Amino acid sequence: GAGVSQSPSNKVTEKGKDVELRCDPISGHTALYWYRQSLGQGLEFLIYFQGNSAPDKSGLPSDRFSAERTGGSVSTLTIQRTQQEDSAVYLCASSPAGTGYNQPQHFGDGTRLSIL
Amino acid sequence: RKEVEQDPGPFNVPEGATVAFNCTYSNSASQSFFWYRQDCRKEPKLLMSVYSSGNEDGRFTAQLNRASQYISLLIRDSKLSDSATYLCVVNKGWQGNLIFGKGTKLSVKP
Repeated sequence: GAGVSQSPSNKVTEKGKDVELRCDPISGHTALYWYRQSLGQGLEFLIYFQGNSAPDKSGLPSDRFSAERTGGSVSTLTIQRTQQEDSAVYLCASSPAGTGYNQPQHFGDGTRLSIL
Repeated sequence: RKEVEQDPGPFNVPEGATVAFNCTYSNSASQSFFWYRQDCRKEPKLLMSVYSSGNEDGRFTAQLNRASQYISLLIRDSKLSDSATYLCVVNKGWQGNLIFGKGTKLSVKP
């Protein structure tokens, strides 16, 4: 389909392992966003890409979290040495341009991450 | 003051009722405003953008008051399928990230 694609849809891993989450935005969308949402909670902003650069990474909770985007398209979010509190749904969204143009974000289905 | 603040609810209403959600935001430089809905264990989906002049989409009406930094969503003739959490969303100034409110939960009962 033409929507935002995230993989894997579910990931279960042991505490201390590294995980890599992938987001493939809608073709042509220059802006890409990562959020996480714990059960019953609101969306927590993690990082925002405009093209390949990240003008706002203020939401990354610790230095165990990093993200990159190459070729202005696919992005990966990496969590090193996972902890149980990292368990959440990680959502990726994209928009055609920056948010100053009144462009809404379109979300993928998310990756449900469970740390044992 | 929180960046985007909403009444968490829940709002429990009968079918056919009219329900209004309010939202306030703190950044006077915000330019883009939206309402999203999120169903249980699903991703947020855009419901409608909010324009300065106010806008309507069927049973849904959105209003923006820039002076008061206040956004509203009115749902008329509520349907069972309207049951969801409604998220108020504001951008963090020009080209800034979108900030999502924690949402207002709506439950429409038969």
